[in-house]
Amino acid sequence: DTAVSQTPKYLVTQMGNDKSIKCEQNLGHDTMYWYKQDSKKFLKIMFSYNNKELIINETVPNRFSPKSPDKAHLNLHINSLELGDSAVYFCASSHPDSAPEAFFGQGTRLTVV
Amino acid sequence: AQKVTQAQTEISVVEKEDVTLDCVYETRDTTYYLFWYKQPPSGELVFLIRRNSFDEQNEISGRYSWNFQKSTSSFNFTITASQVVDSAVYFCALSGNTNAGKSTFGDGTTLTVKP
Repeated sequence: DTAVSQTPKYLVTQMGNDKSIKCEQNLGHDTMYWYKQDSKKFLKIMFSYNNKELIINETVPNRFSPKSPDKAHLNLHINSLELGDSAVYFCASSHPDSAPEAFFGQGTRLTVV
Repeated sequence: AQKVTQAQTEISVVEKEDVTLDCVYETRDTTYYLFWYKQPPSGELVFLIRRNSFDEQNEISGRYSWNFQKSTSSFNFTITASQVVDSAVYFCALSGNTNAGKSTFGDGTTLTVKP
């Protein structure tokens, strides 16, 4: 059973398009995250949700809109894609109080052309 | 503000050598956690270890060992008798009790183990 799964794994799209990445976790964690890893491998947090509530928004452009329909899902929708959005996006989950380590999905490699 | 510094951008060793990956952190939190993650060439991020700020006991797991020293704000990772399969990017990360589980990652150290 995959603990944190995100789809799709690869996404190639043209500038200006809108796309979504889905994430689901079956670990029973309360908190989910989106991280962005750029071409230099730097990892930066974008958003954090706890029990469907947004708790961290790290100055990400408002073209990025996370949605958490329930605490096991955290989707990422990106409007008007730009070349600079090309990166690997990782979903993760944790239980900050008792098990704060993040468990990551396999990543979605987004390429904007 | 939290900060994690991994000063070694890239390290290259020959198989069976020991290698230490350095990690220095800054935080004002009184309670915090430190982590190491491994990202092999296949791209996934794999959790390796967690230490909390109250537990400075070093840990050994097979060929891996971790040295946590609060006095120097360091959490170093040593691989003994390295193997080609250890080749990966290794990230040190920090999470404090005041930021809702958010982890701050270092920039990563790329380890290449040559046969």
